[in-house]
Amino acid sequence: EPEVTQTPSHQVTQMGQEVILRCVPISNHLYFYWYRQILGQKVEFLVSFYNNEISEKSEIFDDQFSVERPDGSNFTLKIRSTKLEDSAMYFCASSEWPDTQYFGPGTRLTVL
Amino acid sequence: AQSVTQLGSHVSVSEGALVLLRCNYSSSVPPYLFWYVQYPNQGLQLLLKYTTGATLVKGINGFEAEFKKSETSFHLTKPSAHMSDAAEYFCAAYSGSARQLTFGSGTQLTVLP
Repeated sequence: EPEVTQTPSHQVTQMGQEVILRCVPISNHLYFYWYRQILGQKVEFLVSFYNNEISEKSEIFDDQFSVERPDGSNFTLKIRSTKLEDSAMYFCASSEWPDTQYFGPGTRLTVL
Repeated sequence: AQSVTQLGSHVSVSEGALVLLRCNYSSSVPPYLFWYVQYPNQGLQLLLKYTTGATLVKGINGFEAEFKKSETSFHLTKPSAHMSDAAEYFCAAYSGSARQLTFGSGTQLTVLP
């Protein structure tokens, strides 16, 4: 069964450093998403991406964040200058249609 | 703005007992509704979904949920709990206007032997 994969599973970085989180969506899916879950809090939407552009983004997704689909298989989330409050589990999701989203296993980002 | 409320952050049941996890949504237009399960140190796995049609939907692992528009609810049930059901369960809603999933705060299910 096709799955969304994410790398790395755990990323530790120093405050102010740039990080890139990588995702490989399910191959025939057209819609891609990033969500995050701060420990003990709700899963929150960050951004959706369709047809090589951002279609929706939340207030969390400020200028420090960017997404890219550099090739036909990968989907990345970049945080330019990490803050302590960026520590969270980041989930990538993909879908064939916008509603039913399939999630990857997540990347745990720890900012020191 | 759409919101999803899950009553009970922690639910404990005995093995073999009925599982009932509650979810209510707030939306003027009934959204598409989903239940996801998260096992420890794993991602979110889709359990079941309601989009249109039959209001009682069946999912994986013996779970089912019923969409009740009049009650704005989408509660998750399983007739007989198994130890392997212990996990965190998230209710989520999707509306076309927002094009994103809005999650509830999650319910941690504990199954007692």
